[in-house]
Amino acid sequence: ETGVTQTPRHLVMGMTNKKSLKCEQHLGHNAMYWYKQSAKKPLELMFVYSLEERVENNSVPSRFSPECPNSSHLFLHLHTLQPEDSALYLCASSHRQTQWGGYTFGSGTRLTVV
Amino acid sequence: EDQVTQSPEALRLQEGESSSLNCSYTVSGLRGLFWYRQDPGKGPEFLFTLYSAGEEKEKERLKATLTKKESFLHITAPKPEDSATYLCAVGGGGSQGNLIFGKGTKLSVKP
Repeated sequence: ETGVTQTPRHLVMGMTNKKSLKCEQHLGHNAMYWYKQSAKKPLELMFVYSLEERVENNSVPSRFSPECPNSSHLFLHLHTLQPEDSALYLCASSHRQTQWGGYTFGSGTRLTVV
Repeated sequence: EDQVTQSPEALRLQEGESSSLNCSYTVSGLRGLFWYRQDPGKGPEFLFTLYSAGEEKEKERLKATLTKKESFLHITAPKPEDSATYLCAVGGGGSQGNLIFGKGTKLSVKP
């Protein structure tokens, strides 16, 4: 365990379903991130939360909806997804003020949209 | 545009055969270069941060170096357990403090 826990580890959902991914960290970090990792592509930054406030939304489709209720928890709500959304979704955390020290990643949720 | 390019895409080595992975970058105002290791089915695991040209860091069989345009991850006498995908990322430029990742190099070490 890295200190960042993601659930579920695997998720299969239909295009009309609604599901949520959960991320939890107990490292005392104050910034949390959602990344998408697809085969043959670099990690794509989706959302950044700093001190529970969304500070970045990288042109992500509205079918992805993040939520950060406190500095330890981050959610990614999914609805009406497309097959091309199938990927590994990674959560990470860091100290926002000293992010140059690197991020701590969770193990990811492998999402398959059918 | 800020960019990170890693080469080769894949590398196969025999156990004990030393080699290097390359990460070239274009970023205005580098604030740090990061190396991560990622095993199948897991998230990236932090290895090193390099901040300025000429800096070097070592951990077991791995050594990371940095110039003004690229970084190398040298692997000395690798073992099968070093097999993984190695990711390079940079911070700085227009990224507003967020990391920009390369596609990674998949390393396979055969016994």
